[in-house]
Amino acid sequence: AQKVTQAQTEISVVEKEDVTLDCVYETRDTTYYLFWYKQPPSGELVFLIRRNSFDEQNEISGRYSWNFQKSTSSFNFTITASQVVDSAVYFCALNGGNEKLTFGTGTRLTIIP
Amino acid sequence: EAGVTQSPTHLIKTRGQQVTLRCSPISGHTSVYWYQQALGLGLQFLLWYDEGEERNRGNFPPRFSGRQFPNYSSELNVNALELEDSALYLCASSATGTGGRQPQHFGDGTRLSIL
Repeated sequence: AQKVTQAQTEISVVEKEDVTLDCVYETRDTTYYLFWYKQPPSGELVFLIRRNSFDEQNEISGRYSWNFQKSTSSFNFTITASQVVDSAVYFCALNGGNEKLTFGTGTRLTIIP
Repeated sequence: EAGVTQSPTHLIKTRGQQVTLRCSPISGHTSVYWYQQALGLGLQFLLWYDEGEERNRGNFPPRFSGRQFPNYSSELNVNALELEDSALYLCASSATGTGGRQPQHFGDGTRLSIL
């Protein structure tokens, strides 16, 4: 069975602060894929990033960065210099190769102007 | 490039009725997925269709069903609606046969309210 845990239910930070969203996963698959999605108030899920289980290279894309650590089964997401437009619910998800995404419960991020 | 499109946007039904939700995938994508996002239950996988066949199914009763057409669009049917079916239903698409490598791209969803 697969499981994704996002322990932070809600986070509020003041604009321009850095914020890290935590994600811990469980799977018995040796090959799997991890994803982060953003869900703004309008409802659609926006794909942000994908990581393969065999590629632990961390990635930076603009103000976003991701830290994948297989040893701790974690795939954390950091927003640097947060902006009000970053306010949304962020979901971490796992695909063990069976085409089914298992989502965490999401972290609601509020950026205070 | 057009994204995943879903219709209708909102729907209000009463208990016992039946509903059909529709989804058109991104051009070139042959896999279509359905997810339910109910309050307090999070995002749950419902169904996966690929090349017209149902490939995988989540833990939902048989009154949740669907199909995929030759043009890869898909319908989700829910019979005998119950109050707990009130949710946002999200459709996603991806390229086929990728073993989960490719991200699933989501539509805006259909918000279903059961009175």
